[in-house]
Order: sequence, then structure tokens, then C-alpha cells
Amino acid sequence: DTAVSQTPKYLVTQMGNDKSIKCEQNLGHDTMYWYKQDSKKFLKIMFSYNNKELIINETVPNRFSPKSPDKAHLNLHINSLELGDSAVYFCASSQEPGDYGYTFGSGTRLTVV
Amino acid sequence: GESVGLHLPTLSVQEGDNSIINCAYSNSASDYFIWYKQESGKGPQFIIDIRSNMDKRQGQRVTVLLNKTVKHLSLQIAATQPGDSAVYFCAENIGGGSYIPTFGRGTSLIVHP
Repeated sequence: DTAVSQTPKYLVTQMGNDKSIKCEQNLGHDTMYWYKQDSKKFLKIMFSYNNKELIINETVPNRFSPKSPDKAHLNLHINSLELGDSAVYFCASSQEPGDYGYTFGSGTRLTVV
Repeated sequence: GESVGLHLPTLSVQEGDNSIINCAYSNSASDYFIWYKQESGKGPQFIIDIRSNMDKRQGQRVTVLLNKTVKHLSLQIAATQPGDSAVYFCAENIGGGSYIPTFGRGTSLIVHP
């Protein structure tokens, strides 16, 4: 009955590889987000989707490509992984844009070696 | 750059004491503030929010105070418990069509039994 679930929880991969992180929410929310948390715990928005449409795309390398097949899913694909991509990636959802009571997933710890 | 920051990166308290976590913000246009709690290995969890037209808001064992004059926000936790140990983030939203809050750096609260 997890509200926002991400897979995998841990991901270790070599530089140059391509990987995906999946996210699903069962809350019926319209809006989903991807955040990156660095080693100093700083949380930075990457993308936001509302009803499968991209509405926020912060300054993120185009190696990162989000995909939302339906409003309950927001996946993140990363091409040509770099050492600096190592971080914890959080998916979140909210009822609608402007609703700040986000529900976050438990995160995916990505380590690029 | 970031407009939200924290005075103390780490706060240690004894169980049963009251805790005060402080947050400074620099954007006077911010009209909405949120506190999140992030336990180890988990995603941030919404605690409480406050709009700029309020000075104080209370929840269960938590109180948020907003001082717009000095652009200062605080989270007070009454009768702190070991389960309150976590990293606490304040976040602000600038408004004016922006609905992605900016997160501060976080304060680590350590509660000693």
C-alpha cells in the first residue's frame, strides 16, 4: 500500500552506462516530480509533470529524460552516466501544481563508479 | 543562488526537551513556507506549512513561527522524542506563478535518550 514507490532502491553502475529509475504513485495525484539530493542533503527540483505533461524542466543535462506513460507513473532515464550523477533521486507527487504537501518516495541511491 | 538557509546544521537535544530549528530566507516575495522531516533512508515528509499572512501555526507537538520583518522561520518541537531525530528542511515558495518550493540545506536534529 506504498503511496509513492521507486525502484530500484539502490543502483550501482559504471560510467557511460544508461539506467532508468521507475516511480509509481497510487494516490490519484495529478502532479509528479523528480528531485536530486546531493551528498550535503541539498534537494533540487529536476522535473515536474502534470497529467503526463512536462511543466517544469530545470537546468538538467539532456542526458536525463523523464517519461510519464500515465499520470500515476514518472520514470527517469539517464544516458551516459557520469560520476557527478551519483546522488539520491527522489520521486514525489502532489494533488496538483501548487499543492506543497508533497508525498515523497523513499529514494533511489545512484552510485556511478 | 539559494535564498533559504539554516543557522545550525546540527542540533542535539535531550529527550523531553523542546527543540527549535531555525531557518532564514532572503526573498521577501515568498508567500508560503513548508517544513519537511527526513528520516534516515527515507524521503522527506511534510510536517507543517504556513502562509505569509500568518505569524504562527500549530500542529501536533509542532509550532511554526514566521517573522517576516527579519525573514526568519522556526520550527518548534515540544517534548522532543528519539523518533524526532531526522534532518529538517524548510522550504519557501516565491509565488507569482511559481509553485516549486526552494528547499534549504537542512538541519540535523539528534535526540539523546
